[in-house]
Amino acid sequence: SAVISQKPSRDICQRGTSLTIQCQVDSQVTMMFWYRQQPGQSLTLIATANQGSEATYESGFVIDKFPISRPNLTFSTLTVSNMSPEDSSIYLCSVSRGGDEQYFGPGTRLTVT
Amino acid sequence: GENVEQHPSTLSVQEGDSAVIKCTYSDSASNYFPWYKQELGKRPQLIIDIRSNVGEKKDQRIAVTLNKTAKHFSLHITETQPEDSAVYFCAASLSGYALNFGKGTSLLVTP
Repeated sequence: SAVISQKPSRDICQRGTSLTIQCQVDSQVTMMFWYRQQPGQSLTLIATANQGSEATYESGFVIDKFPISRPNLTFSTLTVSNMSPEDSSIYLCSVSRGGDEQYFGPGTRLTVT
Repeated sequence: GENVEQHPSTLSVQEGDSAVIKCTYSDSASNYFPWYKQELGKRPQLIIDIRSNVGEKKDQRIAVTLNKTAKHFSLHITETQPEDSAVYFCAASLSGYALNFGKGTSLLVTP
């Protein structure tokens, strides 16, 4: 597996503001993904973070709302823009080293007031 | 796209009994099927997985079976213990791609 950290671990933000979440891995990984988990719900894929190119977004998620960067093989950021209370959720990154197994970061718990 | 159905949504068993969680998937191209355990406030943890070229896999008290023809796979936990209480998620994907998750099963093991 990999050691994955996320910052911040939690935050409370005001409506209309933006928050950038960081995902850092202790060694190079092939794939990085961002998921959202709303309270008591399952995990929903937001996008695949591609190194050196634009992220690939799932239906219902757009780059203007969730811009993603992946400057190298160990780091990615997800920004939640122009937040509303509906964005309150846990945001998780996951990584894969080229095999099938995916491992999750500890998550960022976001509350929008 | 892939659609993963998971049943039951809640499951309560007595300590020592077995628990079975079932999932079906829609995309016949999917070839990787992991199971995650998520305890309250924690990240999902990969507990076992199976690939489409295998029908069954065991790891101590946990086993997973896969029926490719019927497009369903199951998680079996034997000799359940209170520490097995958690939410379990199945997922399906094409190898190397993102996971499509079921809605989860909340398992409660009572002493």
